[in-house]
Amino acid sequence: DTGVSQDPRHKITKRGQNVTFRCDPISEHNRLYWYRQTLGQGPEFLTYFQNEAQLEKSRLLSDRFSAERPKGSFSTLEIQRTEQGDSAMYLCASSFGQMDEQYFGPGTRLTVT
Amino acid sequence: AQSVSQHNHHVILSEAASLELGCNYSYGGTVNLFWYVQYPGQHLQLLLKYFSGDPLVKGIKGFEAEFIKSKFSFNLRKPSVQWSDTAEYFCAVNAGNNRKLIWGLGTSLAVNP
Repeated sequence: DTGVSQDPRHKITKRGQNVTFRCDPISEHNRLYWYRQTLGQGPEFLTYFQNEAQLEKSRLLSDRFSAERPKGSFSTLEIQRTEQGDSAMYLCASSFGQMDEQYFGPGTRLTVT
Repeated sequence: AQSVSQHNHHVILSEAASLELGCNYSYGGTVNLFWYVQYPGQHLQLLLKYFSGDPLVKGIKGFEAEFIKSKFSFNLRKPSVQWSDTAEYFCAVNAGNNRKLIWGLGTSLAVNP
């Protein structure tokens, strides 16, 4: 499978714990995006990278959230001191080129208890 | 701030009925427009996109959408729906040089056989 992959697919954690998610984009794609989706809502933009540079961060991304893409390939999204409001589906997408069609992974569903 | 409105939150149709899902956006400049679909248990997939040129764009599975700049609209259409079209449909926009997608809330479509 050469699509966007995300790991883990599901994560249950207790409030206050730290969690880290991984995204592997399509191999030739230089842009990588993180979105968050809650039930009944459309995805909300969190941040994006072009190669290893983080070019934009949403105000939704509090200081408990950090994302990295150290070698311009895979990316990690870490949430520190999780809160129940962090429960959501975390989506990763990648794209390449001027037209920037974004291809999505299956998401990581986070449940904070 | 940019926003996307999808007028129909839940739509129920019988097979062979025609479909039109509304999408309006707020942004005065150049936009790229997208419709994504999420089938039950699957990840977001691109249905069709508009970047420039012919405002009537055709996508996969018989879907099409028309960009009407004067109305800030990008409505999705299909002349005859099938049971397999049951899914969540999202309209998304990115504006100008901004890469992030702004999403509507989605429309849940149920097609009865």
